[in-house]
Amino acid sequence: KNQVEQSPQSLIILEGKNCTLQCNYTVSPFSNLRWYKQDTGRGPVSLTIMTFSENTKSNGRYTATLDADTKQSSLHITASQLSDSASYICVVTEGNAGNMLTFGGGTRLMVKP
Amino acid sequence: DTAVSQTPKYLVTQMGNDKSIKCEQNLGHDTMYWYKQDSKKFLKIMFSYNNKELIINETVPNRFSPKSPDKAHLNLHINSLELGDSAVYFCASTLDGGRWGEAFFGQGTRLTVV
Repeated sequence: KNQVEQSPQSLIILEGKNCTLQCNYTVSPFSNLRWYKQDTGRGPVSLTIMTFSENTKSNGRYTATLDADTKQSSLHITASQLSDSASYICVVTEGNAGNMLTFGGGTRLMVKP
Repeated sequence: DTAVSQTPKYLVTQMGNDKSIKCEQNLGHDTMYWYKQDSKKFLKIMFSYNNKELIINETVPNRFSPKSPDKAHLNLHINSLELGDSAVYFCASTLDGGRWGEAFFGQGTRLTVV
């Protein structure tokens, strides 16, 4: 069964600090992996997309990595800000006709002043 | 200009009632989805429509019936609502069937069944 697991489930850090969120997946065949940010009461918004051949991709203070061999991805947030407080969801797209999206359970990040 | 809009944002109703949630996207996308986010914040796919045709129908009670009058709209009708239906329901859309396109989500509809 295709699964996406994220860790930690929740994380509290001080403003200005860095943090790394983890995502492990078993989705096969693999098409791409996205990290989404979901603010409270809002729908998820895509931060970055990783395809099979990409190892690292940055979007401002967000840097995503992908190891397709071990089926792991990480999202690193640099110099955190209060507005980074949100849930971060790892989503893997199957590489077949249905292009099913499989969602991780998310990591709830709280940035404190 | 909201890309994916859902209505209503909040819905409180009694058990046994029938209700509908509407979704519209103005992005010209060809695929639309309904997801359910439970209390543990897991997002689970319910249905997927590509150009008005049902392509994904996960294991959901047949009390849930999606309707796609055109590729810009995907509505969700729920019959005989139960307490366990309480959740946040998200509509989303993608281009190119979701293979490379970013999924754009609506703001969600928080359904509370009392």
